[in-house]
Amino acid sequence: GQQLNQSPQSMFIQEGEDVSMNCTSSSIFNTWLWYKQDPGEGPVLLIALYKAGELTSNGRLTAQFGITRKDSFLNISASIPSDVGIYFCAGQGSSGTYKYIFGTGTRLKVLA
Amino acid sequence: DGGITQSPKYLFRKEGQNVTLSCEQNLNHDAMYWYRQDPGQGLRLIYYSQIVNDFQKGDIAEGYSVSREKKESFPLTVTSAQKNPTAFYLCASSHRIPYNEQFFGPGTRLTVL
Repeated sequence: GQQLNQSPQSMFIQEGEDVSMNCTSSSIFNTWLWYKQDPGEGPVLLIALYKAGELTSNGRLTAQFGITRKDSFLNISASIPSDVGIYFCAGQGSSGTYKYIFGTGTRLKVLA
Repeated sequence: DGGITQSPKYLFRKEGQNVTLSCEQNLNHDAMYWYRQDPGQGLRLIYYSQIVNDFQKGDIAEGYSVSREKKESFPLTVTSAQKNPTAFYLCASSHRIPYNEQFFGPGTRLTVL
């Protein structure tokens, strides 16, 4: 099945630094979702985006729905150790479908 | 508390045996989904159901079967026909489209011995 291109695949950062990651697709999407997954647990929904250009925040997290509708970005400000985990994007291509396509994940490690 | 429950958390089975994974939600969601996750990879859709008594194959349905007899429940059976069943299985649910962001359960780790 089709998958999104998510980058970077992994990153090490110092506590307090800002983090940026993105997802790109060859197809236009109507919805973008961002999740965080801890080891051995289910993904937790962080932010949902429904409109091109939309910018949405959830605490220190900010996500944007790209204007071309083929990409999305997630930023984490002032990272803390508990931000460690895998971040997934998911896109929904058609307004008439229930199916989402998931990115391969960005593994984040925070150095105290 | 509203949420999605999956049981058991860990499951072991012998080769050649069928096994059923449970998924229950009390969020009053219409749609439910099953995903498979392998180490270092993203989520791949096995089956999904938009409404009771109806379900559709996802990208990797071979060797799996589901039923949706109740709105709250969407069990997944991993059959002996599934060649590589060892994986982490995730259940999710959502409202109807277009605002159908998916919420996930805690997952079941299946190991075939």
